[in-house]
Amino acid sequence: DAGVIQSPRHEVTEMGQEVTLRCKPISGHDYLFWYRQTMMRGLELLIYFNNNVPIDDSGMPEDRFSAKMPNASFSTLKIQPSEPRDSAVYFCASSLTGQGAGKLFFGSGTQLSVL
Amino acid sequence: QKEVEQDPGPLSVPEGAIVSLNCTYSNSAFQYFMWYRQYSRKGPELLMYTYSSGNKEDGRFTAQVDKSSKYISLFIRDSQPSDSATYLCAMKLTGGGNKLTFGTGTQLKVEL
Repeated sequence: DAGVIQSPRHEVTEMGQEVTLRCKPISGHDYLFWYRQTMMRGLELLIYFNNNVPIDDSGMPEDRFSAKMPNASFSTLKIQPSEPRDSAVYFCASSLTGQGAGKLFFGSGTQLSVL
Repeated sequence: QKEVEQDPGPLSVPEGAIVSLNCTYSNSAFQYFMWYRQYSRKGPELLMYTYSSGNKEDGRFTAQVDKSSKYISLFIRDSQPSDSATYLCAMKLTGGGNKLTFGTGTQLKVEL
């Protein structure tokens, strides 16, 4: 299995632009998570899905952030409009019920820089 | 105050040293405790997993959980340069899917 695949690997954009991050989870996994990592705040959970349904979006910082999971093999995280404080590494992770509590498989992340 | 506190380091040790990494937490309802390892420019990967209190050993790695003190530790014996990474503790409530709360991570460097 190729693991969790995220794209793009790096994104540089200007303030006010729309940014879309993409994730393909491991086939068969029923949970998908979006995390944001910064030096100051560490890894923060933004939102997670179970069987393509959003379960908890309490970590989404503002209405500028939205996430979708139209099917079991694809999810997007959109920021519109983007701001410099959104600069961070965004990780997608997936997991499988019953495989082991807390066992998440992470992608390599998207490094977002908003100028 | 954060739910999970972790010293960010950096921690630098010589090869062969015993390393101790720690986290404290405030939510006594956490039941599952994990350590993830993150290499530079990579995503975290699960290293150790413990349920409730006690010790768990896997090769050179030992995870300890003291729920009475709300304190968890990861020990690395005979540390190697390849152990140089950021180590993140993570915790989970019973139920709640696989939603984890992470510490900020401790950066470890093992010097030759």
